[in-house]
Amino acid sequence: DGGITQSPKYLFRKEGQNVTLSCEQNLNHDAMYWYRQDPGQGLRLIYYSQIVNDFQKGDIAEGYSVSREKKESFPLTVTSAQKNPTAFYLCASSPPGVLTGSMGYTFGSGTRLTVV
Amino acid sequence: AQTVTQSQPEMSVQEAETVTLSCTYDTSESDYYLFWYKQPPSRQMILVIRQEAYKQQNATENRFSVNFQKAAKSFSLKISDSQLGDAAMYFCAYRSRARNQGGKLIFGQGTELSVKP
Repeated sequence: DGGITQSPKYLFRKEGQNVTLSCEQNLNHDAMYWYRQDPGQGLRLIYYSQIVNDFQKGDIAEGYSVSREKKESFPLTVTSAQKNPTAFYLCASSPPGVLTGSMGYTFGSGTRLTVV
Repeated sequence: AQTVTQSQPEMSVQEAETVTLSCTYDTSESDYYLFWYKQPPSRQMILVIRQEAYKQQNATENRFSVNFQKAAKSFSLKISDSQLGDAAMYFCAYRSRARNQGGKLIFGQGTELSVKP
């Protein structure tokens, strides 16, 4: 079955470390997105990519980096510059085009990142 | 920039009763989509219902329906015959149809719905 796989489900990071969250999809979707979820703040957009080798900053990109070398993969790196990285991270994908925009997103199951 | 506001952090409903979750949004655009997503304790995001702004008719999906008031920029979700499985966090979301917006979903803060047996 097609879907989005996020790994790991739980991740622990020490102070000063960079960590990478994986997001893989086999839906043949062009667009992929990373969101951060904190209690009481909903989901906030970190980065998004509409095509391979191109991505744009979202509302809270500071301290994060991404790459999009393959259509299927959109990994997110949480760098040591991110001062408060403890959160739940959701990856999503969407088919392209105005006509399919009403379909919304397909979401992964998320990664819970904790700083120890 | 567009914003989405859910002013009810928590709501409660008795099983089999009806509950309405509120959502307002701000945009200068005329063409967009609106969504309600459900996030149960598993934290998997599930699409509940969607509405296209150019359609005047309110969307309905089984026990879920919306009241879309475009002029008022309001998009409420009504859940009829509430069930224990409806207990979850509900998010309202906006998506522009403009190509230069990248298909981003803009979310509200969420409403935590509890269902009492």
